[in-house]
Amino acid sequence: GAVVSQHPSRVICKSGTSVKIECRSLDFQATTMFWYRQFPKQSLMLMATSNEGSKATYEQGVEKDKFLINHASLTLSTLTVTSAHPEDSSFYICSARDPRVPHNSPLHFGNGTRLTVT
Amino acid sequence: DAKTTQPTSMDCAEGRAANLPCNHSTISGNEYVYWYRQIHSQGPQYIIHGLKNNETNEMASLIITEDRKSSTLILPHATLRDTAVYYCIVRGGNTDKLIFGTGTRLQVFP
Repeated sequence: GAVVSQHPSRVICKSGTSVKIECRSLDFQATTMFWYRQFPKQSLMLMATSNEGSKATYEQGVEKDKFLINHASLTLSTLTVTSAHPEDSSFYICSARDPRVPHNSPLHFGNGTRLTVT
Repeated sequence: DAKTTQPTSMDCAEGRAANLPCNHSTISGNEYVYWYRQIHSQGPQYIIHGLKNNETNEMASLIITEDRKSSTLILPHATLRDTAVYYCIVRGGNTDKLIFGTGTRLQVFP
């Protein structure tokens, strides 16, 4: 079935640096991908919708200048956490739907990226 | 999208059926019910979805009430590996967004 892959699976960075997380659709082309953030013992919170060839759509309260999203190809979306701080430490997860299947078909999720900012 | 309500946590003995309820009383006609689960430190895993008929696959069964205001996910023979947080989500046909609620933390014990 459709597979979504994230890289890296975990990353540690120093406060003030930027870190990029990749989300790839491995066997389908995704015009839309979604980025979520999950803090410990909490649910997934939708951050933004990544649109191939156009600007991402951010959910209310998510800083677009802090979380840069680039969807430059039909199989790759990247999330860059700029000037990371310890409070940005979280589990970041992406998802996408295979457009070849009916619209009610389920979205597929990557295995997440654990970001730790020291 | 309609909001869902689930119990915070449930326990189930290994080998027994786990029945996880979900209330979605504001669901509208074109919205499907999806179930995902998340095992610790992994991405959500799709389980099953349905519109109004009951559904069954190799993982689980989904029972949707006739008025579609609630549903139950059934894991027929729970194993320790089924310990996870289970999310019931309602999604309409005009969006790909999935909005997660708090889910049910299922603990399967020996």
